[in-house]
Amino acid sequence: QVQLQESGPGLVKPSETLSLTCTVSGGSITSYYWNWIRQPPGKGLEWIGHIYYSGSTSYNPSLKSRVTISLDTSKNQVSLKLSSVTAADTAVYYCAREDRIGGSYPNWGQGTLGTVSS
Amino acid sequence: DIQMTQSPSSLSASVGDRVTITCRASQSVSTYLNWYQQKPGKAPKLLIYAASSLQSGVPSRFSGRGSGTDFTLTISSLQPEDFATYYCQQSYSSPRTFGQGTKLAIK
Repeated sequence: QVQLQESGPGLVKPSETLSLTCTVSGGSITSYYWNWIRQPPGKGLEWIGHIYYSGSTSYNPSLKSRVTISLDTSKNQVSLKLSSVTAADTAVYYCAREDRIGGSYPNWGQGTLGTVSS
Repeated sequence: DIQMTQSPSSLSASVGDRVTITCRASQSVSTYLNWYQQKPGKAPKLLIYAASSLQSGVPSRFSGRGSGTDFTLTISSLQPEDFATYYCQQSYSSPRTFGQGTKLAIK
């Protein structure tokens, strides 16, 4: 059974870059889309973007200018970088594996809280 | 972007009740519609994919229907562990979008 684990600094200062990593175990990252999704405290879910194992990406237009998602196949890791952060970027950040056929998310990490504060 | 609108936003019900949550898309998503359950402090859990297919391991009291723009999630007989927040999500096009959530509380 594939498992996903997010990690990264829990606290970032305004205007800096939030960098998170999702480590995948129990399966390869090849042949799947890998997504980042976030949830501000007490609010709903927002899709950030995804990357295919080939390296092709798609981002939410609302975040596109600030987001980079990348893969490290040698480490079975997916990374998220979000630049120029503000307090509005404070959220729990989840990585999720996307089903190949229908695009649902059957596999999620437990999430990591990213807080933006000076 | 495809907007997903759920109703109601909150709902109170009792154990044993039958409840239905509705999700409407701003344009057709065919059957690329998924439902998730989220409990406090936990990641969302996939319940229904492709509008009506039950994810492995999910109890059969959960069911989904619909196509195009209108979808429903029904819980046939509420159990104590079902009190949670439910989200719909379209996977028809990017950006992927979620409904705002429906919080199901104990009456």
